[in-house]
Amino acid sequence: AQKVTQAQTEISVVEKEDVTLDCVYETRDTTYYLFWYKQPPSGELVFLIRRNSFDEQNEISGRYSWNFQKSTSSFNFTITASQVVDSAVYFCALPPCGNNRLAFGKGNQVVVIP
Amino acid sequence: SAVISQKPSRDICQRGTSLTIQCQVDSQVTMMFWYRQQPGQSLTLIATANQGSEATYESGFVIDKFPISRPNLTFSTLTVSNMSPEDSSIYLCSVLGQQGSSYEQYFGPGTRLTVT
Repeated sequence: AQKVTQAQTEISVVEKEDVTLDCVYETRDTTYYLFWYKQPPSGELVFLIRRNSFDEQNEISGRYSWNFQKSTSSFNFTITASQVVDSAVYFCALPPCGNNRLAFGKGNQVVVIP
Repeated sequence: SAVISQKPSRDICQRGTSLTIQCQVDSQVTMMFWYRQQPGQSLTLIATANQGSEATYESGFVIDKFPISRPNLTFSTLTVSNMSPEDSSIYLCSVLGQQGSSYEQYFGPGTRLTVT
């Protein structure tokens, strides 16, 4: 079965600090995708990134970067120079192969203190 | 990408009543899903809404409690029946939409339900 673990429930940082969110996953599939979503206080889910298991290259998008380590089944997310607008819950998610029903982790609540 | 709207955006209901949530997508999509997010919790899939046939429910969710309709490829409804305070949650509609040569899962803005 698919399982996603986000161990840190709430993380508080001071503005401009970096914050890294850990995501560890379990899957029996050899081919799979991993997602990160952001849920700000307004409640909507914002898609951030999708990576497939073929591609272990790290990715950077502005202040966001992702570190995919297949050997340790981790897909960690770093926000550099955090801003107050980054305050949100961040979810890591994993769909079973051939199935589009996303299994979500419990989420990381990020609080950026001005 | 797909643009998804949900109605109502929020509601406060008395226990024992039912609420129907609508999900409208701006394009035809094959797969639509309904998720629940209880306060402070992660998202849990309720069911896959199938066009032209009965929805496929996940473990712990039943049709009598959460009847779903999917009359066409752009619209679905979720009804929360005989509500109790435990049903207070955000209910999110989600669709699988094509992004270039691949598919992405998009979420509606959610319906925030409070049951008193």
